[in-house]
This record gives sequence, structure tokens and C-alpha cells, in this order.
Amino acid sequence: DIVMTQTPLSSPVTLGQPASISCRSSQGLGHSDGNTYLNWLQQRPGQPPRLLIYKISNRFSGVPDRFSGSGAGTDFTLKISRVEAEDVGVYYCTQTTQFPYTFGQGTKLEIK
Amino acid sequence: QLQLQESGPGLVKPSETLSLTCTVSGDSITSSPYYWAWIRQPPGKGLEWIGNFYYTGRTYYNSSLKSRVTISVDTSKNQFSLRLTSVTDADTAVYYCARVLLGSGLDSWGQGALVTVSS
Repeated sequence: DIVMTQTPLSSPVTLGQPASISCRSSQGLGHSDGNTYLNWLQQRPGQPPRLLIYKISNRFSGVPDRFSGSGAGTDFTLKISRVEAEDVGVYYCTQTTQFPYTFGQGTKLEIK
Repeated sequence: QLQLQESGPGLVKPSETLSLTCTVSGDSITSSPYYWAWIRQPPGKGLEWIGNFYYTGRTYYNSSLKSRVTISVDTSKNQFSLRLTSVTDADTAVYYCARVLLGSGLDSWGQGALVTVSS
């Protein structure tokens, strides 16, 4: 199975400041079809997860443009340009390149 | 607008079978190219993918659960179901159903159903 490792596990951020979360996979996530299926999910308190970013850097419908994704191979990053109060929650990277789908441990974003 | 809703018993005894149903509205579970999935989350912990299925019957299961899990579909009711046998405390979790688009992953989720395994 592909192991997804996120850092940091907790990220206290000041409102209006940027935030960054890293995700590393235990093997490359390139699929034979040429795509890399690395996605980011947001889980607000008491809510189900919600898709934010798919295929490394594509924002899903309705996701604000302060969220961006980047990376390649085994190293990926989610960035929030200016954190807002509604961004509080846990962020997960996930790979859907290969079965079983696997998730990072989650990074808890909180406001200082 | 797509909606997914999990339903089923919230309490299951150890060694018995957990059964949940996901009712889909706003889209047909026979819509191509979507798959449908179950994922679970133990209280206070991370996410674990259980399995995917395609309405034609193709299924993929997490090998860690494969011997105990079955995902089935009722196209007439636009529902799909999860069956997990021989449950233990470790199976206590919030169970989510979700839609999968191969290009974008798990793009729509239900609200989740908490299932507690306890005697």
C-alpha cells in the first residue's frame, strides 16, 4: 500500500497569514494514463470531508482561489494564501492512483 | 444537486454483521463514469477507504477488510449497501458513502453514520 505522510500534524496560523501543508508518498503517484491522482480534502469540525484539490493542482468546483496545490512525483504541497476563520479544520492528502486508496494522517489547521 | 445519505443501525454487537445503505439523490448510480465508495473514520482518527464499486458489478476492496466486506447495489432504489461481517471494537467508526470520479477522486460525500460496536 502507498503510505501518505503529512507535515506538520498541527498548524497554528494567524488570520490573514499564509499556511502550507506538505504530503509525501512512499512511492510515485504517476498513473499509467499520465495523470497523478493526488488530491486534498478539507474536513471542518463536525462535517464530512470535502474535495478541495484534485490531480495535484486543480481546484474543485466552488473552492476559493486562496487554495492552491503543487508538487510532483512523491512530494506535494497545499497552500492557503491568506487563512480565513472558515478554513479551520483537518486537511488530508489522498492518493487515488492505486488501490487501496490511502490518506495522510491529517493536518489540523487552527487559528492562533 | 447530488446528495448521499447513509442509514442503518447505530449499534452492532461484537461478532455480528454491520449493514449500511447509501441512498443517492440528484444523480443515478448507473451514471457513467462514476464509481461509488465507502470510507470510514474511527472517532478522532483518520480516514480509511473500504471499497469502490461500479454499477455493472465491478468492485474493489481494501485487502485489510476484503474477507469481511461486501458492497452491493440496488439500481431500482438508487442505493448501494455495505456489509461488514464479524465486527469488533476496531470497526467502531463514522461510515461515509461517497461518489468517485476517476479524474478527481472522492468528489461528493454523505454526512456519515456513526456505528458503534458494543455488547
